[in-house]
Amino acid sequence: GIQVEQSPPDLILQEGANSTLRCNFSDSVNNLQWFHQNPWGQLINLFYIPSGTKQNGRLSATTVATERYSLLYISSSQTTDSGVYFCAVQPNAGGTSYGKLTFGQGTILTVHP
Amino acid sequence: KAGVTQTPRYLIKTRGQQVTLSCSPISGHRSVSWYQQTPGQGLQFLFEYFSETQRNKGNFPGRFSGRQFSNSRSEMNVSTLELGDSALYLCASSLQGKNTEAFFGQGTRLTVV
Repeated sequence: GIQVEQSPPDLILQEGANSTLRCNFSDSVNNLQWFHQNPWGQLINLFYIPSGTKQNGRLSATTVATERYSLLYISSSQTTDSGVYFCAVQPNAGGTSYGKLTFGQGTILTVHP
Repeated sequence: KAGVTQTPRYLIKTRGQQVTLSCSPISGHRSVSWYQQTPGQGLQFLFEYFSETQRNKGNFPGRFSGRQFSNSRSEMNVSTLELGDSALYLCASSLQGKNTEAFFGQGTRLTVV
């Protein structure tokens, strides 16, 4: 099946710093999403971005589908940005991909005041 | 618009018992997927239901089963619980289960003792 690799696995920042999280995937996809998992476990949708670039406040994301990677940018980080960031993809694989997102292992972000 | 609702939020069961978890998707969404999250294995896909039919299944033993009702609400059942079934169980809903954005519920944290 498709492989998803996120880097770095851990990231420690001071408040106000910028960061870039990367997601590499091994096959073509028709869905790519970025999530932030809050301390209670819920996955919060950040971006639905199978291709192109999107921005939402201090966060932006870019997916280069032809080169099979996506980047999540966090600018002027805040302590509330701390948590785990996941990239998840759904390949163009016909019936075996219905409803199935394959997740990377996540990036644990810690922002210190 | 209400989000994805999972009940119960927390559950403690004894080895050998069975458990049923419930998920109500976003209104109008017909696809419901279930995931298991553990520290060792990360987020893993269990199965997906669309219009009361299971369309896709992950690599889990037959003790894990599910169903979907005509109003798109879904339940998953785990029989003969094992200690290793302790996990966060997440449900996701989407319009079609493919080429559409998935939204997650808050999860059910199951502890097996």
